[in-house]
Amino acid sequence: SAVISQKPSRDICQRGTSLTIQCQVDSQVTMMFWYRQQPGQSLTLIATANQGSEATYESGFVIDKFPISRPNLTFSTLTVSNMSPEDSSIYLCSARLAGAPGELFFGEGSRLTVL
Amino acid sequence: LAKTTQPISMDSYEGQEVNITCSHNNIATNDYITWYQQFPSQGPRFIIQGYKTKVTNEVASLFIPADRKSSTLSLPRVSLSDTAVYYCLVGGYQKVTFGTGTKLQVIP
Repeated sequence: SAVISQKPSRDICQRGTSLTIQCQVDSQVTMMFWYRQQPGQSLTLIATANQGSEATYESGFVIDKFPISRPNLTFSTLTVSNMSPEDSSIYLCSARLAGAPGELFFGEGSRLTVL
Repeated sequence: LAKTTQPISMDSYEGQEVNITCSHNNIATNDYITWYQQFPSQGPRFIIQGYKTKVTNEVASLFIPADRKSSTLSLPRVSLSDTAVYYCLVGGYQKVTFGTGTKLQVIP
């Protein structure tokens, strides 16, 4: 199994600012992902964080708005840039262990409120 | 990626067995079926995974028919603490996307 730690767990930010969320996994993982979850809604995949290269973004998400880094196998960051109230959401980091198809481990999420 | 369809919500009384069915008509040959549970303010948690037939662990059973176009998560004797959203996902070693999930409400 894997334990995923996210920081910050919650934050309140001003419109136009940027916030970086950190994700640390206690095991070496093959794939890392970032999801967004609006209150009462399902999870939406933002991007796949690729080690040492640019992230792979899903439709509707762009690098300028959500830059992602993954410098090594166990760490990734997601930045929410130039925030607006529409970015208020829970952001979740997840990871998959080698040899475990389909099974994802999730962090507790980072609850972001933009005023 | 295979699309999944599951009921939006279900109610059950404590102590009853709950079965949640998920349809995934365009499942690929190398896709696995995985179910997750999510409580409010927490990330989803893995429950069970299977490829075909029946899988059972300490918390649930997963039934998959031969054509693999659907699957049923079975929760035996639910308690109030099983109130959560349950997601059915289909995929393999690549990215996975979440469907709407089923909100299970357990009633005393």
